[in-house]
Formats: sequence, C-alpha cells, structure tokens
Amino acid sequence: EPEVTQTPSHQVTQMGQEVILRCVPISNHLYFYWYRQILGQKVEFLVSFYNNEISEKSEIFDDQFSVERPDGSNFTLKIRSTKLEDSAMYFCASRRGISEKLFFGSGTQLSVL
Amino acid sequence: QQQVKQSPQSLIVQKGGISIINCAYENTAFDYFPWYQQFPGKGPALLIAIRPDVSEKKEGRFTISFNKSAKQFSLHIMDSQPGDSATYFCAASYLRTSYDKVIFGPGTSLSVIP
Repeated sequence: EPEVTQTPSHQVTQMGQEVILRCVPISNHLYFYWYRQILGQKVEFLVSFYNNEISEKSEIFDDQFSVERPDGSNFTLKIRSTKLEDSAMYFCASRRGISEKLFFGSGTQLSVL
Repeated sequence: QQQVKQSPQSLIVQKGGISIINCAYENTAFDYFPWYQQFPGKGPALLIAIRPDVSEKKEGRFTISFNKSAKQFSLHIMDSQPGDSATYFCAASYLRTSYDKVIFGPGTSLSVIP
C-alpha cells in the first residue's frame, strides 16, 4: 500500500527556534493535511491544503504556523518560534479525492526544550 | 458541537471476546464516521467507516453500528485477538464540503490478553 513519508521522525529544538517538518504525500493525492497529537491525547486537526492554498485551519494554527508545497512532491509545516506547548507528534495526511481514504504518515515527534 | 465523545478510555478483553467501543456526536452536519486504529509509533490508519444512511457496516471481524436518532455509533470487534491491541479512535467528518477535516474522539486503548 502507498505511504505518506515524514521526516525527521524525531526533532528536538529550543524554545523560540524555527522548525520545519517535512512530508511527502502519496503521489497522486490532491488534499493534504497536518494533524497533531499531544502525548496521550486525541489527534487534533491543524490545517487542510488543496489547490495550493489553505482550505481550512483550526484555532491552533495561528500566525506562528505556515504550510507550503514548494514543489510537486513535498508538503511542509513550519513553526516560526516554537513554544513548549508545541511539543507533540505531528502527522501529515493526504487523500486523492474528497471522499477517498485518508492516509496518515508515521509522524514527527517534536520536542521543544 | 464539533466534539466527538468516546468511551471507555481503556478496555481489556480476553482473546476471543467481543470488544465494544462507543461514541457520540452532537453536530448533525457530520456525514461520515470513520474509525481509526493506531499502533505505538505509527499514524492512525483507517479501519472501517460508515455513512449515516446505513445502520450497520461489517468488514470481517469489525462492525460499526450507527444510531442516527441517538447520534451514537459503536465499534464491535468480534473474536478479539492480541494483534488487535491498539488505540482506537472514532471520528466524524463532512464529505459534502471542500474542506473535510476529521474530528477525532479521545481514543480507547484496547488490550487483548491471551
């Protein structure tokens, strides 16, 4: 089965630093998402991206967050100035069409010290 | 109104038994109800899903029961196996709109003991 690939698997950063989390969605998918999961808690929606623009974002996705699809294969999440509370597992997800199966990557564990 | 509630928080079942996880929602605009299975260190993976126009969907040992009037749905795992030990999330989504975020429940940690 095709996979969504995320790198790195773990990222440690200092508070206030910028981080970029990278994702390679499945190649023929058109809808892209970022979710996060704080340890032991539920998976939370951050942002959806379609046709090179954000289609929806949650309250969590404030001005410190941005997403980009810089080329035809990568999808990135940038956090400009990390806070302690940004520590979480970040999942990238993609799907081919609006009613199609959503595929998640294995996540990037972000630790902000 | 966007919330999806889920219970129990954790569940221990004997091998061969039936695992039952219950969920409830408020927003009647939801039109797609998936269940995700998550193993440690992995992302959620779609297990089975149902639309509100049917009351039950079965795939192998996994069955979703859906009660539209009560705004409740449940996952039944028949003949539970140790390999089913994972965290299960019920979820709700909108398929009619161009943005289709998935709202996850808080999760149920299932342990199937031999």
